[in-house]
Amino acid sequence: KNEVEQSPQNLTAQEGEFITINCSYSVGISALHWLQQHPGGGIVSLFMLSSGKKKHGRLIATINIQEKHSSLHITASHPRDSAVYICAVASPNTGNQFYFGTGTSLTVIP
Amino acid sequence: DAGVIQSPRHEVTEMGQEVTLRCKPISGHDYLFWYRQTMMRGLELLIYFNNNVPIDDSGMPEDRFSAKMPNASFSTLKIQPSEPRDSAVYFCASSSPYRGSWDNEQFFGPGTRLTVL
Repeated sequence: KNEVEQSPQNLTAQEGEFITINCSYSVGISALHWLQQHPGGGIVSLFMLSSGKKKHGRLIATINIQEKHSSLHITASHPRDSAVYICAVASPNTGNQFYFGTGTSLTVIP
Repeated sequence: DAGVIQSPRHEVTEMGQEVTLRCKPISGHDYLFWYRQTMMRGLELLIYFNNNVPIDDSGMPEDRFSAKMPNASFSTLKIQPSEPRDSAVYFCASSSPYRGSWDNEQFFGPGTRLTVL
């Protein structure tokens, strides 16, 4: 049983395209995180959300608590956006645990 | 700030040997997390500390794994004895006391790539 499901698993896009990565979860959460893992392995936190929407540059993250769903959007995608994007949820209902999706591997072609 | 510092960056050892991974969190951060990442299982939370006290170690795979945080600026993850299935990248992360909450944004170290032969 996976508490966090991401889709798609792999995504290839042309430079400039609008990209959407989806995350669904099955547990009660206090926060949802979007992480970016670079090809070299480093992990960077992009967003932490508990409601609504956040925007940072070309990245937008939204969350719908009722539907237990979050999306990460990338506008005007660029090859440097190529990375693995990981959704993680913080669940106080199960003893303050973090659950991770398996990640979406994004490749943006010039 | 140098960010979260982990050492070593790479470790190759033989089965049965003791392995110690080290982490220095960002100064002022009061939560410290240890994660393991493998191709098969992705990222998994092993244990986390708040103010140097272990809060939840339910993710620690077995008794061969132990973690300590003797002070606010240092933590270790020890595997004894190591096995080939422990081969993975181990990440340390820390988060600040903003909102006084355990689920804040985390800052990750570069990871330690462990290979057990």
